[in-house]
Amino acid sequence: DVVMTQSPLSLPVTLGQPASISCRSSQSLVHSDGNTYLNWFQQRPGQSPRRLIYTVSNRDSGVPDRFSGSGSGTAFTLKISRVEAEDVGVYYCLQHTHWPPTFGQGTKVEIK
Amino acid sequence: EVQLVQSGGGLVQPGGSLKLSCAASGFTFSGSTIHWVRQASGKGLEWVGRIRSKANNYATAYAASVEGRFTISRDDSINTAYLQMNSLKTDDTAVYYCIRDSSWLMFFDYWGQGTLVTVSS
Repeated sequence: DVVMTQSPLSLPVTLGQPASISCRSSQSLVHSDGNTYLNWFQQRPGQSPRRLIYTVSNRDSGVPDRFSGSGSGTAFTLKISRVEAEDVGVYYCLQHTHWPPTFGQGTKVEIK
Repeated sequence: EVQLVQSGGGLVQPGGSLKLSCAASGFTFSGSTIHWVRQASGKGLEWVGRIRSKANNYATAYAASVEGRFTISRDDSINTAYLQMNSLKTDDTAVYYCIRDSSWLMFFDYWGQGTLVTVSS
């Protein structure tokens, strides 16, 4: 199985400041169709995960534009340009290029 | 509006069985794959298994940790998927989510609210 490694696992951030989460895969996530199937999810306390980003950099409907995704191959990043109080939670990357789909361990974002 | 509404969780003894349901609305359920993912308390997300559509022969696949004990099924006439869990172990204690997969781009875009399964004597 593809191993997804996130860092850091805990990220204290000051309100209004940027935040960045890294996700690395144990093999390239480029599919034979040319797409890279790397998604990002946000899980607020007590809620179900919510998809934020699909295929590396595409924001889902309703996701604020302060969230952005980037990367290629085996290295990916989720950035929050200015952290707001509602961004507190755990963020997960997921790959589904290779079977089975696998998640990163999660990064807990909290306010300093 | 896409919705996945789950039911059926609860407390069960080790070795027991439980069946979870996932009722879908707002999209073409019969053409979609449904996955199940679980999350132990304070832990990360673990893929459990999936069932594909009739066009894909209702093919199922499972994580090694549940293979042979869990069975995923579906009833397209009532837009509902199921997770039958047998020979339950304490390690199966978790919140279980059902999730939509309607295409490569609509992969895991909608999640159920989750249902808690507690395996304890």
